[in-house]
Amino acid sequence: SYELTQPPSVSVSPGQTASITCSGDKLGDKYACWYQQKPGQSPVLVIYQDSKRPSGIPERFSGSNSGNTATLTISGTQAMDEADYYCQAWDSSNYVFGTGTKVTVL
Amino acid sequence: EVQLVESGGGLVQPGGSLRLSCAASGFTFSSYWMSWVRQAPGKGLEWVANIKQDGSEKYYVDSVKGRFTISRDNAKNSLYLQMNSLRAEDTAVYYCARLAHGFAFDIWGQGTMVTVSS
Repeated sequence: SYELTQPPSVSVSPGQTASITCSGDKLGDKYACWYQQKPGQSPVLVIYQDSKRPSGIPERFSGSNSGNTATLTISGTQAMDEADYYCQAWDSSNYVFGTGTKVTVL
Repeated sequence: EVQLVESGGGLVQPGGSLRLSCAASGFTFSSYWMSWVRQAPGKGLEWVANIKQDGSEKYYVDSVKGRFTISRDNAKNSLYLQMNSLRAEDTAVYYCARLAHGFAFDIWGQGTMVTVSS
């Protein structure tokens, strides 16, 4: 079955850039999307189709996808961005989520 | 306001059954694929099942095939998940989610907790 691997944790200072990777076989041939989930809340879509932002998502969130790796970048990270982030792709009629990354804003 | 509201969760014994419901509002429910996604306590997200707009196509993760059934009633703007032969490993928060932009879940409900325990 298809798997997506993320680093367990990423730390970033306020105002700096956080990059979260998502690795999967030939992931660049598929569409990747990203979700933010804060404690006790439902996930929120922040990036779809590799790099598109839904309405209401700040411009500091951006995405890319090439080769075997998709990347979510948070520019000018704010304290409110502290959360778990999950990548997700579609493969053979299955929707696969990544292992998740906890972003800590120090 | 676009909204999904789940209900029907609770405590059930291993081998038991439960039916989850999801009420949709604020959008044309019949125009979208819909899904169930679950999250075990302290764990990541896992897609469970999805259903086409008219109910003619349904897909499931391997671990629930033959035990769970997804369905919908477009006249009632409602999505359902019938869960049979429940196991301890099915314990999770179950989210109803709308599929959009091809392969992304753009709207999520607040979730309903299912606990399978004796």
